[in-house]
Amino acid sequence: QTVVTQEPSFSVSPGGTVTLTCGLSSGSVSTSNYPSWYQQTPGQAPRTLIYTTNTRSSGVPDRFSGSILGNKAALTITGAQADDESDYYCMLFMGSGIWVFGGGTKLTVL
Amino acid sequence: QVQLVQSGGGVVWPGGSLRLSCAASGFTFSSCGMHWVRQAPGKGLEWVAYIRSDGGDKYYVDSVKGRFTISRDNSKNTLYLEMNSLRAEDTAVFYCAKDLTWSLDSWGQGTLVTVSS
Repeated sequence: QTVVTQEPSFSVSPGGTVTLTCGLSSGSVSTSNYPSWYQQTPGQAPRTLIYTTNTRSSGVPDRFSGSILGNKAALTITGAQADDESDYYCMLFMGSGIWVFGGGTKLTVL
Repeated sequence: QVQLVQSGGGVVWPGGSLRLSCAASGFTFSSCGMHWVRQAPGKGLEWVAYIRSDGGDKYYVDSVKGRFTISRDNSKNTLYLEMNSLRAEDTAVFYCAKDLTWSLDSWGQGTLVTVSS
């Protein structure tokens, strides 16, 4: 069974840059997995940040960017702000009508 | 603007049934695939089901196959999730979401389903 891996937690200083990754327990992530990224604060519905690897969703600031780094998908936040403190989830399309979320990364800004 | 308004959550006994609805507006519903995603209390997101724009293809996570049915009524701009044989582990907030190139675009507000005796 395919597992999508994310760092459980990450910390960044205000104004700093952080890169969160999204990998596979077996194999490499590619653009064919259509990696997407979602931000969620407690009690709220998720918000779409990035889809198809590197396309920002409407209204998402350009300090959020997506890419493939090595064998993983990556979400980079440049110039982190206090309100970026959230849970971040990646999702991969595995083909054959199956989508899988990563376990999420809890980002702390301090 | 895109709006997805959910209804139908609640408390149900183990083995019971429930139907969730997701009313769409602000986009051409009949042209978009749709998803259901859930989140158990204190846990991460889990993709549950997908339905193609015309209702022709439907896909499910293994844990709900044979128990949950995704459907849509394009004349009513509404997505549904029929849930049968509910288990305690199905307790979660359920979200509907619009597909955008195999990703999730706009999200509903979420509806809580609690399976408990």
